[in-house]
Amino acid sequence: QVQLQESGPGLVKPSETLSLICTVSGGSINTYYWSWIRQAPGKGLEWIGSIYYSGSTNYNPSLRSRVTISIDTAKNQFSLKLTSVTAADTAVYYCARTWQQYHFDYWGQGALVIVSS
Amino acid sequence: DIQMTQSPSSLSASVGDRVTITCRASQSISFFLNWYQQTPGRAPKLLIFAASNLQTGVPSRFRGSESGTDFTLTITSLQPEDFATYYCQQSYSSPFTFGGGTKVEIK
Repeated sequence: QVQLQESGPGLVKPSETLSLICTVSGGSINTYYWSWIRQAPGKGLEWIGSIYYSGSTNYNPSLRSRVTISIDTAKNQFSLKLTSVTAADTAVYYCARTWQQYHFDYWGQGALVIVSS
Repeated sequence: DIQMTQSPSSLSASVGDRVTITCRASQSISFFLNWYQQTPGRAPKLLIFAASNLQTGVPSRFRGSESGTDFTLTITSLQPEDFATYYCQQSYSSPFTFGGGTKVEIK
């Protein structure tokens, strides 16, 4: 059974960089796409971006200038960096396994990140 | 971006009821439509992918269908564990967008 777990700081100051890691267990990170999706409090879901195990990426244009997703196949991890954060970036951040057709079948439990000074 | 419009935004129903949720895409997305269920404090769970394919382990009372740019999630007999928020998501083109959600509440 594939499991994903997000980790990282739960509080980030405005203008700083949000960094999260997703650790995949119970299966290899190879062969699939992997994604980050976020949900602001009480709001809907927003796709941030995805990465293939080879390292190719696909980002939401609304966040592209601030987002970097990378992958470490040796550690079975992939990561998210979001720069210049504001309060609008406060959300639960989910990592998810992604099929080539871009549906998300396994999700992490989510990591709440609050942007506040 | 492709806009996904769900209706209704909320509904009240009783156990055993048949429930229908609709998602409309702002342009053609072929069959690239997925449905998720989310309960409070939990991650979304994939129910249906590619419009009508039941994800492994999901009960058969969940059904997905399509008609042009309109997609429907039907729960044939609502169970207590089905009270949740449901989201559609298009996977036809990037950015991959979600509908606003439909909250299914207990009547």
